[in-house]
Amino acid sequence: KAGVTQTPRYLIKTRGQQVTLSCSPISGHRSVSWYQQTPGQGLQFLFEYFSETQRNKGNFPGRFSGRQFSNSRSEMNVSTLELGDSALYLCASSLTASGGMSTDTQYFGPGTRLTVL
Amino acid sequence: AQKITQTQPGMFVQEKEAVTLDCTYDTSDPSYGLFWYKQPSSGEMIFLIYQGSYDQQNATEGRYSLNFQKARKSANLVISASQLGDSAMYFCAMRELPFSGNTPLVFGKGTRLSVIA
Repeated sequence: KAGVTQTPRYLIKTRGQQVTLSCSPISGHRSVSWYQQTPGQGLQFLFEYFSETQRNKGNFPGRFSGRQFSNSRSEMNVSTLELGDSALYLCASSLTASGGMSTDTQYFGPGTRLTVL
Repeated sequence: AQKITQTQPGMFVQEKEAVTLDCTYDTSDPSYGLFWYKQPSSGEMIFLIYQGSYDQQNATEGRYSLNFQKARKSANLVISASQLGDSAMYFCAMRELPFSGNTPLVFGKGTRLSVIA
């Protein structure tokens, strides 16, 4: 079974631009979560989608948004990029979205490394 | 609020020796899951092992075992017979499992393990 795929793997943008990152979950997985990883803040949760609905959101400004399609693929968008948005963006998929499931393990993709100049 | 603490920023271990990576957690929810992930320099987060709060036995997966001490809120990862390929960042993570709603995965700061030949 193919793993989680993320495109693109590397991205260089300038301040003020916007960017869209894509994530394809493991086949059959309906939940997709996004995380931002930086050396200073570590791994921080952005949002989680399940069946095209945002189920949870982290503490990020409104410039960060996402969506999920009917095939469970997900995209996240960052508008008006700032230097501090430079990070590794990780996508993870799981079978469900918890709610009592004790083995709802999240499997991660390789990440998209975004550099903002 | 849930919190994960990894007190060892870096550790060294001789090849073929066992090593323990520490993780303590804090939560007020009686139902939760604990996870360990490995992140090589390539960036991808690799799932290693899972422990549920109600599991009676410590989890094991090949060379990985989780030393779960619920009363001490500790979930240490033990890697037996270390290999050079084990050199990576290791993250402990937790997800509360309420019966309604869902919560995101919360990560510790990580421990960088270096295996020496």
